[in-house]
Amino acid sequence: NAGVTQTPKFRVLKTGQSMTLLCAQDMNHEYMYWYRQDPGMGLRLIHYSVGEGTTAKGEVPDGYNVSRLKKQNFLLGLESAAPSQTSVYFCASSGTGLEQYFGPGTRLTVT
Amino acid sequence: AQRVTQPEKLLSVFKGAPVELKCNYSYSGSPELFWYVQYSRQRLQLLLRHISRESIKGFTADLNKGETSFHLKKPFAQEEDSAMYYCAHETGTASKLTFGTGTRLQVTL
Repeated sequence: NAGVTQTPKFRVLKTGQSMTLLCAQDMNHEYMYWYRQDPGMGLRLIHYSVGEGTTAKGEVPDGYNVSRLKKQNFLLGLESAAPSQTSVYFCASSGTGLEQYFGPGTRLTVT
Repeated sequence: AQRVTQPEKLLSVFKGAPVELKCNYSYSGSPELFWYVQYSRQRLQLLLRHISRESIKGFTADLNKGETSFHLKKPFAQEEDSAMYYCAHETGTASKLTFGTGTRLQVTL
């Protein structure tokens, strides 16, 4: 089992560019999450999904969109990147046991 | 809004010394609390949860509802304990978590 994987690992964008981060899990988990991690602020929930075809806003959703067309995938999109979106992005998934399983992270820099 | 507070950004201890990483939460009901750990160049992973009341890698955490605390403790720190530690609180539905800002534990010889 690969667990939770994220693509890409690193990305540099210019202000105004768009991109999509891909998260995939092979544990058949219903719940998936996107977080951003910033120094001194911990992890903050951007969006989450409770199942295929569903998404919901988290604590800091502005500037991001998500889609969960397949149960195993959760995509995070930035339509028009801003320097404030420079961060490390983590995807996680969870089944019925409350524990969240995290991906390795994507380091995004917006210049 | 539910909050998780970790007052220390950095905790530096000597090898063999006791460790206590502080965590306070704001919730009036019965909380579900967790400690996650992130070792250097590794992904975030669950260390322990209060409902299991177990000791993992020598760490324990006791829920104190009166003080709304869930401090992480270890009697004798090891070098391999150096990592970033996050306290987290289950928030609402879908097993969502609210994380604290994290404490970096540095164990030195």
